[in-house]
Amino acid sequence: QQQVKQSPQSLIVQKGGIPIINCAYENTAFDYFPWYQQFPGKGPALLIAIRPDVSEKKEGRFTISFNKSAKQFSLHIMDSQPGDSATYFCAASKGQGGKLIFGQGTELSVKP
Amino acid sequence: GAGVSQSPSNKVTEKGKDVELRCDPISGHTALYWYRQRLGQGLEFLIYFQGNSAPDKSGLPSDRFSAERTGESVSTLTIQRTQQEDSAVYLCASSLTSGGGNANTGELFFGEGSRLTVL
Repeated sequence: QQQVKQSPQSLIVQKGGIPIINCAYENTAFDYFPWYQQFPGKGPALLIAIRPDVSEKKEGRFTISFNKSAKQFSLHIMDSQPGDSATYFCAASKGQGGKLIFGQGTELSVKP
Repeated sequence: GAGVSQSPSNKVTEKGKDVELRCDPISGHTALYWYRQRLGQGLEFLIYFQGNSAPDKSGLPSDRFSAERTGESVSTLTIQRTQQEDSAVYLCASSLTSGGGNANTGELFFGEGSRLTVL
């Protein structure tokens, strides 16, 4: 009930490609779904977040798609760049200030 | 302003020794988290402090692990009788949970972690 399952574990795309990372959750009480980006040797940092009252949110080249009925959400990175190479984590919580449970992470590599 | 500060940044210890990791959260942040990140793996929730409420200790892997927080400031994570499987990066994060529609509520600000190696 508390798990957030993320896939794929790793992903390699060419520059300009559109990597897609998927997450699924079980707990229907979750209502806040952020994505975090982590560079080597650094702590994760918030990238973008969505509430279940919308099906899509865009911020720059990053888009979250949310499917409430399927209990799934995904991150799309448009026109990916080598600088986007990082580990991406999805997460979920009950309430925007609630305990945040993270997925297992996706290591993204964008080749020049 | 200052971010979340963790110390030590690196700790090498021998199996069976106790270690203490420290976290200084962002001033004014009411919530504080500890996560564990093993090499190449995800963020494993350990413990969550929220204001004056009893901490959520549901993620602590064994009774060798404990954490304390003084009010809304410093937190220490203590691992007793360390084992090799405790080797990991221990990440601390803090957040503002004042509610009231504050757009920043809920965003976790992470430190750079304490890398623990148990020989």
